[in-house]
Amino acid sequence: GESVGLHLPTLSVQEGDNSIINCAYSNSASDYFIWYKQESGKGPQFIIDIRSNMDKRQGQRVTVLLNKTVKHLSLQIAATQPGDSAVYFCAENPDNYQLIWGAGTKLIIKP
Amino acid sequence: NAGVTQTPKFRVLKTGQSMTLLCAQDMNHEYMYWYRQDPGMGLRLIHYSVGEGTTAKGEVPDGYNVSRLKKQNFLLGLESAAPSQTSVYFCASSYGSRTGEAFFGQGTRLTVV
Repeated sequence: GESVGLHLPTLSVQEGDNSIINCAYSNSASDYFIWYKQESGKGPQFIIDIRSNMDKRQGQRVTVLLNKTVKHLSLQIAATQPGDSAVYFCAENPDNYQLIWGAGTKLIIKP
Repeated sequence: NAGVTQTPKFRVLKTGQSMTLLCAQDMNHEYMYWYRQDPGMGLRLIHYSVGEGTTAKGEVPDGYNVSRLKKQNFLLGLESAAPSQTSVYFCASSYGSRTGEAFFGQGTRLTVV
């Protein structure tokens, strides 16, 4: 079936550098995408979302880019901090109620 | 403001036993969801509810039942637990449809032996 997946399962980044987490999706009908952050032992936490009529959206230290041509999403985190250590999930929302989640990328911050 | 609260946080069941997981939200959200998360995977939707008295099946509903008798509560039941239901269960709620900004509970770690 349709699925959302991630290119890299683990990403190690030096503290202070920028992080880029990538995600591929395959459901061409999806028009809404979300990034979540999940810290160890906690539930997922919303970071940022983007609709398909946009190709870029910025939040506080985070930017999401959407390339519909190649069905690719990325999450950019500026000036990565130790508190950014977590597993990051992209998810697509093909209908009103269901989210299809990718497998996740673990972000490790090196001091 | 408690947000989304799940009980219990941990549980061990024997195969064939039944149990109910409780989810409570205090944000007056219409929409509530139950997900399961298996190691190395994203979340998969079990059941969801778009309002009090309504429920619907998600991606992996088999072996589970749900009820939404009160707007603030969403119950997930396992009638006859199986080892394949060993997982971490998350409840979430949101104020509207087509929104990714759902609020999640802390999760329930269930082990079926």
